Amino acid sequence: QSVLTQPPSVSGAPGQRVAISCTGSSSNIGADYDVHWYQQLPGTAPKLLIYGNNNRPSGVPDRFSGSKSGTSASLAITGLQAEDEADYHCQSYDNSLNGFYVFGTGTQVTVL
Amino acid sequence: DVQLLESGGGLVQPGGSLRLSCAASGFTFTNFAMSWVRRAPGKGLEWVSTISGNGGSIYYVDSVRGRFTISRDKSKNTLYLQMNSLSAEDTAIYHCAKGIVVVPAARGYYFDYWGQGTRVTVSS
Repeated sequence: QSVLTQPPSVSGAPGQRVAISCTGSSSNIGADYDVHWYQQLPGTAPKLLIYGNNNRPSGVPDRFSGSKSGTSASLAITGLQAEDEADYHCQSYDNSLNGFYVFGTGTQVTVL
Repeated sequence: DVQLLESGGGLVQPGGSLRLSCAASGFTFTNFAMSWVRRAPGKGLEWVSTISGNGGSIYYVDSVRGRFTISRDKSKNTLYLQMNSLSAEDTAIYHCAKGIVVVPAARGYYFDYWGQGTRVTVSS
């Protein structure tokens, strides 16, 4: 179903750095389409976290950063905090026959 | 403040229909494309459908094309999703999401505001 692959879960202690990968293909990330990231706290609406690969909307702490290279992208959280415990989703565009906007498989971040 | 409030979800039998609504406020409704995105239990987000600001351009994921119809009413600032021939695979929380421009684009397009979602359960 999802054409972008993310690890199901990552975890870290408070203050640590964690990174979430988002792996695509030549029809999406590899075709130089931007990657965007969303944070979804339990029971809430998704929230835009990173847009255009590495840009933070107003109000998003600079602990969150994004990058993209080749057919993959990554979201890094430095100085992990308890409030960062949530699901994280990447999103891009896919130019294949079945494509349009595509999301990743989602990653649950646990703060130990 | 931008607000998106979905309604219309519920329990429906396989083969049944539902109509979801999303009441929008806090922005000029016709200036932005709107979308439906769903999340099935234990799964990630899945884009379902997008409609341009004037309703003239519409897109669907293959799995719902021919069964779902997206529409919008500018007089009510409301987005709709008519869902027919529902199956268990359509069970999910359905979110409406605001796009960043009036016409959905390939490059640089993302969803800047989301609603809390409405739960759809398809089961006998």
